[in-house]
Amino acid sequence: AQSVTQLGSHVSVSEGALVLLRCNYSSSVPPYLFWYVQYPNQGLQLLLKYTTGATLVKGINGFEAEFKKSETSFHLTKPSAHMSDAAEYFCAVSDARTNFGNEKLTFGTGTRLTIIP
Amino acid sequence: KAGVTQTPRYLIKTRGQQVTLSCSPISGHRSVSWYQQTPGQGLQFLFEYFSETQRNKGNFPGRFSGRQFSNSRSEMNVSTLELGDSALYLCASRRASTIYFGEGSWLTVV
Repeated sequence: AQSVTQLGSHVSVSEGALVLLRCNYSSSVPPYLFWYVQYPNQGLQLLLKYTTGATLVKGINGFEAEFKKSETSFHLTKPSAHMSDAAEYFCAVSDARTNFGNEKLTFGTGTRLTIIP
Repeated sequence: KAGVTQTPRYLIKTRGQQVTLSCSPISGHRSVSWYQQTPGQGLQFLFEYFSETQRNKGNFPGRFSGRQFSNSRSEMNVSTLELGDSALYLCASRRASTIYFGEGSWLTVV
């Protein structure tokens, strides 16, 4: 079974500072990995994904994440935080490689990001 | 291109009642899945439909059911509602390996 661990349920950073949200996964095969963002009272918006190829993935709103197989990690970063980045962020793993065609996402518990003016 | 559309956005039901939620996937997407989001349990997979067939099901009681129509639109139904069913229900449509979510339906059971 696959699982996702997000370290830190709450993270606060100053505006303009580096954002680092941590995600570690457990999977018997290389997974597909995703980061989603959820703004208050809204659904989930896809930030970025890793399936194959380049391990450094760039997403929307200046976010990027790096897949590190040796560390089973997929941490999300942004060089300079903006007030509009305040939201909840979810890391997710897909079982597509072993369950192709009817894959599902397993989510972490989320990290609430607060930006300090 | 329109995103995943869910209706209704908000609803309040009484214990014991049933509820039906609707989802229209992104045009051209044939796979629709449903997730439940609660503060206590987080985001959990309910089920997935493709070409009107349920292909995958999460660990939820039989009170939770769904279906998909020939135009790929999907509905989920919860019967005999319990207080613990209060949640945000998210519908998602998939193309290749990417899953896109709708805005969700907020269900409150009183």
